[in-house]
Amino acid sequence: EDKVVQSPLSLVVHEGDTVTLNCSYEVTNFRSLLWYKQEKKAPTFLFMLTSSGIEKKSGRLSSILDKKELSSILNITATQTGDSAIYLCAYNAGGTSYGKLTFGQGTILTVHP
Amino acid sequence: KAGVTQTPRYLIKTRGQQVTLSCSPISGHRSVSWYQQTPGQGLQFLFEYFSETQRNKGNFPGRFSGRQFSNSRSEMNVSTLELGDSALYLCASSRLAVTTKGIYEQYFGPGTRLTVT
Repeated sequence: EDKVVQSPLSLVVHEGDTVTLNCSYEVTNFRSLLWYKQEKKAPTFLFMLTSSGIEKKSGRLSSILDKKELSSILNITATQTGDSAIYLCAYNAGGTSYGKLTFGQGTILTVHP
Repeated sequence: KAGVTQTPRYLIKTRGQQVTLSCSPISGHRSVSWYQQTPGQGLQFLFEYFSETQRNKGNFPGRFSGRQFSNSRSEMNVSTLELGDSALYLCASSRLAVTTKGIYEQYFGPGTRLTVT
């Protein structure tokens, strides 16, 4: 069965620290990998990575897809308290699974002032 | 552009009742997916609709059903509610990001918090 595993499950840092969140996937088919940030509401879209777009960056956040290792990392530099959230990784398989995402369990990030 | 909207935002029902949740996707998005989020199981895919047709289905019992209308709005229905159906139900609307590869970006609505007592 296809699976997405995120690590660590939780992380506590101080403002200004840099964090790296990991996502590995065991899938029979791969189309895209997506990262979301979830605070006390619905997940908000951060990045989508594909075979032709393996690096994305937006401000202090960046993400890389390692197709060989079947994994992805999300980096957050100079963390702020507003970065405290659950970070979710999800993949979309190939074939006809267009609108179906399989999610990892999430990483809970807590940033202290 | 307005985001994904879901109604109602909160709902309390009794075991055995049924419930209907509604989702309006972002304008122009034709694909709508539904997910259930619980503390124990995380985010799990329920089903996806595209052009009024169910295109994908997750591993949920037949009590969970859905439909999509010609204006892309979607509803999901849960019949004979059980305590374990208490969850945040999220709707996501998808934009075709890479046409030639069928790659979609999904954007979530605020969710409907369902409590079954």
